Amino acid sequence: GAVVSQHPSWVICKSGTSVKIECRSLDFQATTMFWYRQFPKQSLMLMATSNEGSKATYEQGVEKDKFLINHASLTLSTLTVTSAHPEDSSFYICSASRLGQGAETQYFGPGTRLLVL
Amino acid sequence: GNSVTQMEGPVTLSEEAFLTINCTYTATGYPSLFWYVQYPGEGLQLLLKATKADDKGSNKGFEATYRKETTSFHLEKGSVQVSDSAVYFCALNSDTDKLIFGTGTRLQVFP
Repeated sequence: GAVVSQHPSWVICKSGTSVKIECRSLDFQATTMFWYRQFPKQSLMLMATSNEGSKATYEQGVEKDKFLINHASLTLSTLTVTSAHPEDSSFYICSASRLGQGAETQYFGPGTRLLVL
Repeated sequence: GNSVTQMEGPVTLSEEAFLTINCTYTATGYPSLFWYVQYPGEGLQLLLKATKADDKGSNKGFEATYRKETTSFHLEKGSVQVSDSAVYFCALNSDTDKLIFGTGTRLQVFP
């Protein structure tokens, strides 16, 4: 159990367009979801934490108007990269945790690779 | 601040060889330490963890010991298999209850 999916697995878009990435918990209710991005040969960096039904908490240096996060249900969170530019090209990973479980008990999605031309 | 440093890869081994992937950390307080594994096309999975000094985490033949004196949490396995080929991430749970990851080490095991 505890499967997390992401869609799409990869996306190529033109500069200036917006891209939406979905993260779904398939067999459990995710009260908290996390969004990470990973540059080549670098660590996963936490972008934001979202709790169902409330606004996301963004990490320092992450533009909340650039990376819109919506956690509208207990099984779905979306990350929208608005007005994407080539520097937004990266690997985006989401994870989810259940109610009452700490940060270490996160179930990760397979990631979405974004390439902005 | 808190950080994790792990050896760069790829690590290339023959089947049944001994594996060590080094991981050291910098942290305030007393973090928990983790190893995650990511198989091709899949999400990260928790491999093992240790929550206090001298604890040993183990799973699937892998083990790592929380060494506070050397601030290390090296991953070891006595005899690797082709199926162990994956990317391994060392991580710590900071005092703000967030996971901080190393850069990942790719392991390639050949028959």
